[in-house]
Amino acid sequence: EVQLLESGGGLVQPGGSLRLSCAASGFTFSSYAMSWVRQAPGKGLEWVSAISGRGGSTYYADSVKGRFTISRDNSKNTLYLQMNSLRAEDTAVYYCAKEVRYGGNSVQYFDYWGQGTLVTVSS
Amino acid sequence: DIQMTQSPSSLSASVGDRVTITCRASQGISNYLAWYQQKPGKVPKLLIYAASTLQSGVPSRFSGSGSGTDFTLTISSLQPEDVASYYCQTSWTFGQGTKVEIK
Repeated sequence: EVQLLESGGGLVQPGGSLRLSCAASGFTFSSYAMSWVRQAPGKGLEWVSAISGRGGSTYYADSVKGRFTISRDNSKNTLYLQMNSLRAEDTAVYYCAKEVRYGGNSVQYFDYWGQGTLVTVSS
Repeated sequence: DIQMTQSPSSLSASVGDRVTITCRASQGISNYLAWYQQKPGKVPKLLIYAASTLQSGVPSRFSGSGSGTDFTLTISSLQPEDVASYYCQTSWTFGQGTKVEIK
């Protein structure tokens, strides 16, 4: 059974930092790209960042580029999101999601999601 | 960047009604479209991928169609447990969501 378990969320002041983790099990972690997707309170889904299976390629939404860093440790089956220079608009539930690539590996959908971890940026 | 526009943003229908949600892409995306269901307070769940392929375990009253720029999610007979928000997605872009309620 595929399981994704996020941790690391909490309350942080504007300008602060936070590191999210996502522990994966039930599948060959290194074979799959992974993403972070967030959802602000009462709002829709917003893709944040993605990383290839081996970690060699990373991708970011314009809204977080230069502030967030995605990484993974395949020996620990864990995905990370280092969030720096946090802003009020980063307040959201952050989900990690397993990607399935198709269309000649050019696009993806998300077949499994974690339960999410809440990040609140406020003074 | 590709933009995804869903309509309507919300709808209210009776149990047993046929419900249709549309998603339009700002450029052609072949059949590279997925649909997700998110019940209140819950995690998003994959319903359909490749525009029309039902994810394992999803009830057959859900179906998807379309190609290019215009796509549709249909619930053939709305059930109380279908109350949720529904999102379309391609690549790293989600639609803004459609909230489905029972009348």
